[in-house]
Amino acid sequence: EADIYQTPRYLVIGTGKKITLECSQTMGHDKMYWYQQDPGMELHLIHYSYGVNSTEKGDLSSESTVSRIRTEHFPLTLESARPSHTSQYLCASSQGVAGNQPQHFGDGTRLSIL
Amino acid sequence: GQQVMQIPQYQHVQEGEDFTTYCNSSTTLSNIQWYKQRPGGHPVFLIQLVKSGEVKKQKRLTFQFGEAKKNSSLHITATQTTDVGTYFCAGSNNDMRFGAGTRLTVKP
Repeated sequence: EADIYQTPRYLVIGTGKKITLECSQTMGHDKMYWYQQDPGMELHLIHYSYGVNSTEKGDLSSESTVSRIRTEHFPLTLESARPSHTSQYLCASSQGVAGNQPQHFGDGTRLSIL
Repeated sequence: GQQVMQIPQYQHVQEGEDFTTYCNSSTTLSNIQWYKQRPGGHPVFLIQLVKSGEVKKQKRLTFQFGEAKKNSSLHITATQTTDVGTYFCAGSNNDMRFGAGTRLTVKP
């Protein structure tokens, strides 16, 4: 099993709050990703990183931001949560900086904004 | 840009029936990967295909990569209730693109 961890697993919070979703991996992977997914549905790439100090926007327009100060850590921040942000957020990592290596996913954070 | 289309979106089968999901790309791919996501779980990597015309098997699962490296399929023989979940293909050139997934349900 891959060593990639996400916290919290579940979060219910009110509108307007600032939220940070944590993701850490212990595999030394360079590339990391954040996806938004409604249960069992399509994966939408919202951010990715090639390595330390690298952050890129994905395909899905998002009001979130990410940072990559350390190789193992890739947190996602929502400055002001809205009900439309209710979803599951999956973090993943892959070896190397090429985009063709298998991705290892965390268990996800299920976010509900009231 | 590169797009990966996957069909069908849903498939409901009786236990013991076969199941196939198809993946098509608008561009030639360097490789294609398949993932399975169980209900309530996260996607888990199953296999990677790299060569034109490649066929790989994992027990009852057969994966194929087309000759032109633009399409792929996953075939499950004699489905079981443990096969339930969403199957994603992911095509790669410089970046990987996931298909929308096929959600499989199996009636006992």
